[in-house]
Amino acid sequence: EPEVTQTPSHQVTQMGQEVILRCVPISNHLYFYWYRQILGQKVEFLVSFYNNEISEKSEIFDDQFSVERPDGSNFTLKIRSTKLEDSAMYFCASISGGENTEAFFGQGTRLTVV
Amino acid sequence: AQRVTQPEKLLSVFKGAPVELKCNYSYSGSPELFWYVQYSRQRLQLLLRHISRESIKGFTADLNKGETSFHLKKPFAQEEDSAMYYCALFTSGTYKYIFGTGTRLKVLA
Repeated sequence: EPEVTQTPSHQVTQMGQEVILRCVPISNHLYFYWYRQILGQKVEFLVSFYNNEISEKSEIFDDQFSVERPDGSNFTLKIRSTKLEDSAMYFCASISGGENTEAFFGQGTRLTVV
Repeated sequence: AQRVTQPEKLLSVFKGAPVELKCNYSYSGSPELFWYVQYSRQRLQLLLRHISRESIKGFTADLNKGETSFHLKKPFAQEEDSAMYYCALFTSGTYKYIFGTGTRLKVLA
């Protein structure tokens, strides 16, 4: 069964460094998302991406964040200058589109900013 | 405002007891509600959606538009039901999910 895959599973970075979190959505899906979950808190929407552009972003998704779909398969989230409060689990998800609105999630990347 | 509320952070029940995980939503449009589950060390996965009106693993959920609720129920809990459960609202206008805070269900032997 096709899966959304995320790499790395765990990333430790120093405050102020740039990180890139990678996702490979399911190949025929059209909608892509990043969510994050700070430990003990809820799953929060960051950004949605459709037709090679951002369709919506939350207030969390400030200028430090960017997303790209560089090659038609990968979907990346970049945090330009990480802060301690960026430490969280980051989930990628994709939806095929049309009537099927089931979201398929990756296993997540745990980002730890030290 | 679009919002999903799950009032219980933790729900502990004994095996064989009935379970009800509460979910309320706020949405001005026509809601599409889901329950997602996350078992230990696994990814979030769909449990059920209100449109299909099916029972999955013995769980059911009925959308009550009058009470703006979508509670998840199971008549007899099993130990393998222990997991984190998220109620989610899919907004067709913006094509995204809004999640509740989640309820951790612990089924005790």
